[in-house]
Amino acid sequence: DSGVTQTPKHLITATGQRVTLRCSPRSGDLSVYWYQQSLDQGLQFLIQYYNGEERAKGNILERFSAQQFPDLHSELNLSSLELGDSALYFCASSAPPGLATNEQFFGPGTRLTVL
Amino acid sequence: TQLLEQSPQFLSIQEGENLTVYCNSSSVFSSLQWYRQEPGEGPVLLVTVVTGGEVKKLKRLTFQFGDARKDSSLHITAAQPGDTGLYLCAGLDNYGQNFVFGPGTRLSVLP
Repeated sequence: DSGVTQTPKHLITATGQRVTLRCSPRSGDLSVYWYQQSLDQGLQFLIQYYNGEERAKGNILERFSAQQFPDLHSELNLSSLELGDSALYFCASSAPPGLATNEQFFGPGTRLTVL
Repeated sequence: TQLLEQSPQFLSIQEGENLTVYCNSSSVFSSLQWYRQEPGEGPVLLVTVVTGGEVKKLKRLTFQFGDARKDSSLHITAAQPGDTGLYLCAGLDNYGQNFVFGPGTRLSVLP
């Protein structure tokens, strides 16, 4: 158990809909990262938040948005869903700056299926 | 943009065999990590290497960071079916700003 929690574990929805994925980082971690992993694909970095502020942006679509709240949990919002958005979405957290290694601890993921 | 390449992409071996997988880049990384991911689960951190030439051992797994900090290898001795999974390397650039994952090596160890 990494200490990172994600809900829900599975989500099935229809095209055009909007969903929200939730992540709680490990206790003490200030950074949260979101990744997308399609079938048999590598991890695609979407976005990073640090202590409530956006820190880095990857290949995140304009239909997707995220935020990190004062209690440090984060939500990833996916809207106008398309079939191609079906994937595993992972959240990871890492320790505060000062540790140069950026070790990330991953949650169990949310499997999104768009029908 | 820094890229990490991993080879081989797929590897299928018999239980008891040894294997090495590689992670390469043209860029220098301040640190590099190896993760293992099992189907449907999140990646799990195996090791972090920081110093050029560094070698770390984790039971039957040996990790090495290249002298120039541009590449790394993972050697597994006497592979077991439990070693099956996707092995991902990930690196933090020299400025501590960009963190990238390689595409992974999918290992299958047959009993």
